[in-house]
Amino acid sequence: IAGITQAPTSQILAAGRRMTLRCTQDMRHNAMYWYRQDLGLGLRLIHYSNTAGTTGKGEVPDGYSVSRANTDDFPLTLASAVPSQTSVYFCASSARGSGGPTDTQYFGPGTRLTVL
Amino acid sequence: GQQVMQIPQYQHVQEGEDFTTYCNSSTTLSNIQWYKQRPGGHPVFLIQLVKSGEVKKQKRLTFQFGEAKKNSSLHITATQTTDVGTYFCAVTPFSGGYNKLIFGAGTRLAVHP
Repeated sequence: IAGITQAPTSQILAAGRRMTLRCTQDMRHNAMYWYRQDLGLGLRLIHYSNTAGTTGKGEVPDGYSVSRANTDDFPLTLASAVPSQTSVYFCASSARGSGGPTDTQYFGPGTRLTVL
Repeated sequence: GQQVMQIPQYQHVQEGEDFTTYCNSSTTLSNIQWYKQRPGGHPVFLIQLVKSGEVKKQKRLTFQFGEAKKNSSLHITATQTTDVGTYFCAVTPFSGGYNKLIFGAGTRLAVHP
């Protein structure tokens, strides 16, 4: 069982280019999340999805979009990358989508993105 | 919006010394989770605290949730080099969605042999 996979592992991108970060989980979890991690700021939620077909905005959604066409995949798209989007991006999932005690979140290995 | 303060930002200890990190919120929390991230790795769930005054132990790690459910601590007894990493608290405020965690900035622990 792989858990959560992310691709690419790392990427250097020219400003203004479009980029999609891929995330796939094989745990049949309802909820999925995208975070960015910057030094000194911890993890900040970009977008989330409580179940396939639904998405929501997190703390820092501007410049990013997501889709959740099925349970397993949750791609994150940067429509026109800017240098301030240089960060490490983590995808995560949890079993329940909403309601009840907070779920444990399981994180992928991350994508290191540099925008020049 | 909800903010959580985590202190210290960085702690350097000699192997065998104890270590404590604190997480503080200005508002009452539904629950709190703790995660560990090894250098170059991804966050890994350690524990969740839900009840006021709750104390949980995992071997050398002791987790506490304050009586007012506004603060928490993680204490490591007799640190080892395997404890190296960044420890994050993550909170669910009462007014937030159940799974919309807010992470503290983390405490980076360095352990010297």
